[in-house]
Amino acid sequence: NAGVTQTPKFQVLKTGQSMTLQCAQDMNHNSMYWYRQDPGMGLRLIYYSASEGTTDKGEVPNGYNVSRLNKREFSLRLESAAPSQTSVYFCASGSRTGTYGYTFGSGTRLTVV
Amino acid sequence: GESVGLHLPTLSVQEGDNSIINCAYSNSASDYFIWYKQESGKGPQFIIDIRSNMDKRQGQRVTVLLNKTVKHLSLQIAATQPGDSAVYFCAESRSNDYKLSFGAGTTVTVRA
Repeated sequence: NAGVTQTPKFQVLKTGQSMTLQCAQDMNHNSMYWYRQDPGMGLRLIYYSASEGTTDKGEVPNGYNVSRLNKREFSLRLESAAPSQTSVYFCASGSRTGTYGYTFGSGTRLTVV
Repeated sequence: GESVGLHLPTLSVQEGDNSIINCAYSNSASDYFIWYKQESGKGPQFIIDIRSNMDKRQGQRVTVLLNKTVKHLSLQIAATQPGDSAVYFCAESRSNDYKLSFGAGTTVTVRA
């Protein structure tokens, strides 16, 4: 099925550990995004990639890095996890043609202890 | 400042009634608005969008209204069903920007 696939779905890290969240889309979208969602808050943009080969900071980039591996894949890395990074992470992709509405993945629930 | 917000964090609706979810935005440069639905444990799902050159747009059982004068948009759901129980987010963007900014969300609960 066409869409955005995120892995893993759940992860528990110890403070200071590192990990990479993977995201892949098969809709041939140019733009890809990483958001985090905390209780009682909307989605906040961490990083985005307007097109293959470019990445830009969003609203809350500190503590994260990203890689746009190719048109399909956009990964998010936590180099040294902190409890404040406990959240649900969503990847999305979109295209400027037609609707701007993004397609979201099902999320990664990350807990840092 | 730039922000998108919803008037009420929760809304309880009787099954079969119409629901109205409101959203206020402060950035007059915003020219594209989207409503998303998020069910528990899932990612946001696109419902309907509207551009700033429109006042109203209708979909299947949903209508979005945009009032640029007061920077307000609303989502109306007709004949609300149990499956409509979810968190609803409004989001805004500008045509010269790839970023989408979200409000905090309204939790809709449908009473049987």
